Amino acid sequence: DTGVSQNPRHKITKRGQNVTFRCDPISEHNRLYWYRQTLGQGPEFLTYFQNEAQLEKSRLLSDRFSAERPKGSFSTLEIQRTEQGDSAMYLCASSLLQESYEQYFGPGTRLTVT
Amino acid sequence: DAKTTQPNSMESNEEEPVHLPCNHSTISGTDYIHWYRQLPSQGPEYVIHGLTSNVNNRMASLAIAEDRKSSTLILHRATLRDAAVYYCILRDIYSGNTGKLIFGQGTTLQVKP
Repeated sequence: DTGVSQNPRHKITKRGQNVTFRCDPISEHNRLYWYRQTLGQGPEFLTYFQNEAQLEKSRLLSDRFSAERPKGSFSTLEIQRTEQGDSAMYLCASSLLQESYEQYFGPGTRLTVT
Repeated sequence: DAKTTQPNSMESNEEEPVHLPCNHSTISGTDYIHWYRQLPSQGPEYVIHGLTSNVNNRMASLAIAEDRKSSTLILHRATLRDAAVYYCILRDIYSGNTGKLIFGQGTTLQVKP
């Protein structure tokens, strides 16, 4: 399968714990995006990488959130000291370089903070 | 990014055509019109995009008004599998833009057998 994969698919954690999610993009894609989606809403942009460089971060990405894309391949999104408001679906997408190209989304990681 | 307006929900019967409208009156000359859909419990999926001319692909057709202030996604024969939330999104084509997608609420399409 050459699509975007995300792990884990589901994560339940207690408030205050740290969690890390992984995204494996389509191999030749330069761009990688993270989005967050809460119930009944459209996805919201969090951050974006072009190769290994993180080029934009949304105001939604508080200092408890950090994302990396070492070597321009897979990416990780870490949330420290989780809060109940962090409960959401975290989606990863990848695309080729040009702005007109479509983004391919992974299945998402569903985070529940209890 | 320019804003889009879509109806909250629409219904269709199976095997019939569906026309999903989108208004984008503040569109700029460099904005592409993209459509994505999200099936239940899945990530969004690209459907189609266009700039000025009408576009067709295996999934759908995109009809763009001459003034580009509105567009319509056309599913020629709806199936139960087409039940999803459909998002109309504008993306600026110029470099320096991250290419991020700004999703609105979308249109929830119900398909009745």
